[in-house]
Amino acid sequence: GAVVSQHPSWVICKSGTSVKIECRSLDFQATTMFWYRQFPKQSLMLMATSNEGSKATYEQGVEKDKFLINHASLTLSTLTVTSAHPEDSSFYICSANPLRTASQYEQYFGPGTRLTVT
Amino acid sequence: TQLLEQSPQFLSIQEGENLTVYCNSSSVFSSLQWYRQEPGEGPVLLVTVVTGGEVKKLKRLTFQFGDARKDSSLHITAAQPGDTGLYLCAATGFQKLVFGTGTRLLVSP
Repeated sequence: GAVVSQHPSWVICKSGTSVKIECRSLDFQATTMFWYRQFPKQSLMLMATSNEGSKATYEQGVEKDKFLINHASLTLSTLTVTSAHPEDSSFYICSANPLRTASQYEQYFGPGTRLTVT
Repeated sequence: TQLLEQSPQFLSIQEGENLTVYCNSSSVFSSLQWYRQEPGEGPVLLVTVVTGGEVKKLKRLTFQFGDARKDSSLHITAAQPGDTGLYLCAATGFQKLVFGTGTRLLVSP
């Protein structure tokens, strides 16, 4: 149990276009989902925290108008990179915090989405 | 400023060797987690340590949480090529996980 999927697993887009990445919890409901960004050979950096039905909380330095997050249900959160530029190329990973758990630190991670902007 | 510093950043060893990875901070954490991440995949949780001084073992992996809950270590005995990956510590206690800088391990046959 506790499987998180992401779609697509990789995407190539042209500069100036927008890309949507989906994060789904397949066998559990998630109160909170998190979006991380990872550059090559670096660690994970939290971008934002999203709670179902409310606005996402963005980390300092992350542009909320550029990285749009929607958490419309307890099993789905989406991250849209608007007007993508080459510097947005990165590995985007989501995680989900199960509804059933009392700990917000119990997170299950998706397999990641590699975005390349040309 | 990175809250969690891991050392070493990169480690290349031969199969059968032992190694230790460190995760250090000046802050106190309620708990600390260790993850392993393989290329092109998300991180997978290995262990969570909660009590200062706690030691947990997972087969050939031994995890220790410092007495003051500011640091942790991961020791691997008789490393195998399958242990290759990025090892990440992550601290809890700020309404979110904060990841360490990472240690990239390469175990050669």
